[in-house]
Amino acid sequence: AQTVTQSQPEMSVQEAETVTLSCTYDTSENNYYLFWYKQPPSRQMILVIRQEAYKQQNATENRFSVNFQKAAKSFSLKISDSQLGDTAMYFCAFTHPAGGTSYGKLTFGQGTILTVHP
Amino acid sequence: NAGVTQTPKFQVLKTGQSMTLQCAQDMNHNSMYWYRQDPGMGLRLIYYSASEGTTDKGEVPNGYNVSRLNKREFSLRLESAAPSQTSVYFCASSDGTDTQYFGPGTRLTVL
Repeated sequence: AQTVTQSQPEMSVQEAETVTLSCTYDTSENNYYLFWYKQPPSRQMILVIRQEAYKQQNATENRFSVNFQKAAKSFSLKISDSQLGDTAMYFCAFTHPAGGTSYGKLTFGQGTILTVHP
Repeated sequence: NAGVTQTPKFQVLKTGQSMTLQCAQDMNHNSMYWYRQDPGMGLRLIYYSASEGTTDKGEVPNGYNVSRLNKREFSLRLESAAPSQTSVYFCASSDGTDTQYFGPGTRLTVL
């Protein structure tokens, strides 16, 4: 079974500083996708960043970047220059490609509550 | 583009009542999904529809039914609501790149 584990229930950071959220996953497959989603108090699930397992290069989206360690099955999210609007619950998620025996089901971690302090 | 829309945003039911949660997407996506989110947990898949005309169970389907009405719409029905179904429900759709886009959610309380 695929599992996703986020070991940090809560994190806090000062505005403008850098914070890293941890995520580990378990799968026996070689081809998969990893995601970080942000859920602010509005409850909306917002895609932050996406990584394809066959790509060695770590994904980057503006202030957000990942450290993808395939052998260790680790997928951490780094937020640089933290802003007050980054305050949210962050979920790590995992899926296999749709089609065949898979259907693109997302498996989520338990989430990390991030608070950015002024 | 509105993306993925859900109605209603909030609902309170009594045990045994029925209701249908509506979801629509205007992104021409083939795949659609229903998840529930309980406190302290990530989202769990209830049902999904890989394409128009097909539906399949996810990991927590008991107590729910779905209908893929057309390519745009995917509804979730609770035939006889139970307090254990108190949750926040999310609909999502996928563009074939395995990235899912979520609606704003429906907060359901069953008394």
